[in-house]
Amino acid sequence: EADIYQTPRYLVIGTGKKITLECSQTMGHDKMYWYQQDPGMELHLIHYSYGVNSTEKGDLSSESTVSRIRTEHFPLTLESARPSHTSQYLCASRKSGGSYNEQFFGPGTRLTVL
Amino acid sequence: KQEVTQIPAALSVPEGENLVLNCSFTDSAIYNLQWFRQDPGKGLTSLLLIQSSQREQTSGRLNASLDKSSGRSTLYIAASQPGDSATYLCAVFHAGGTSYGKLTFGQGTILTVHP
Repeated sequence: EADIYQTPRYLVIGTGKKITLECSQTMGHDKMYWYQQDPGMELHLIHYSYGVNSTEKGDLSSESTVSRIRTEHFPLTLESARPSHTSQYLCASRKSGGSYNEQFFGPGTRLTVL
Repeated sequence: KQEVTQIPAALSVPEGENLVLNCSFTDSAIYNLQWFRQDPGKGLTSLLLIQSSQREQTSGRLNASLDKSSGRSTLYIAASQPGDSATYLCAVFHAGGTSYGKLTFGQGTILTVHP
């Protein structure tokens, strides 16, 4: 079973609020990822990190930002939430080192911005 | 750019049937291919991972095959059960290029197994 956690699981907030979605893993994985998924739609990579102090933007442009100060922690922040940010956000991690390494996902945070 | 396609988009079968889900990808420069299951509103659960050098992997009633040269993978589910109802996603892990170190996902197959 994957040890990757996301909080909160559900969040309903008003427009303009600053929010931080938390993601942590206890597997010692160096690579971590954030995906965005609208209902019934594909997953899109929005941020990734290959280690501490390393962050990159993914394939889908996002107004969110991320940080990686500790290996186990990869929070995502929205400075000013808008209704267009309503979506499910999925965090994932994997260990470097070859073709046998699985990617594990957290349970997701479902964000609704009113 | 890697493209991953899953067929069919949706599948509805009676309980007990054996079924096959298909996944194809355009760039064979992959490290591995991973099959996931996603229940509504939930995260992804890893089902099987096939390394690029392997041809198949089995876990319980699930069997996944990989033909890297032709860019195809299949997920075989034996004796399907209502609890198998979910969206099944395949994803390839890139070995090079601008997508190195990333997964590209297919759109998924929505499976419904009715009693």
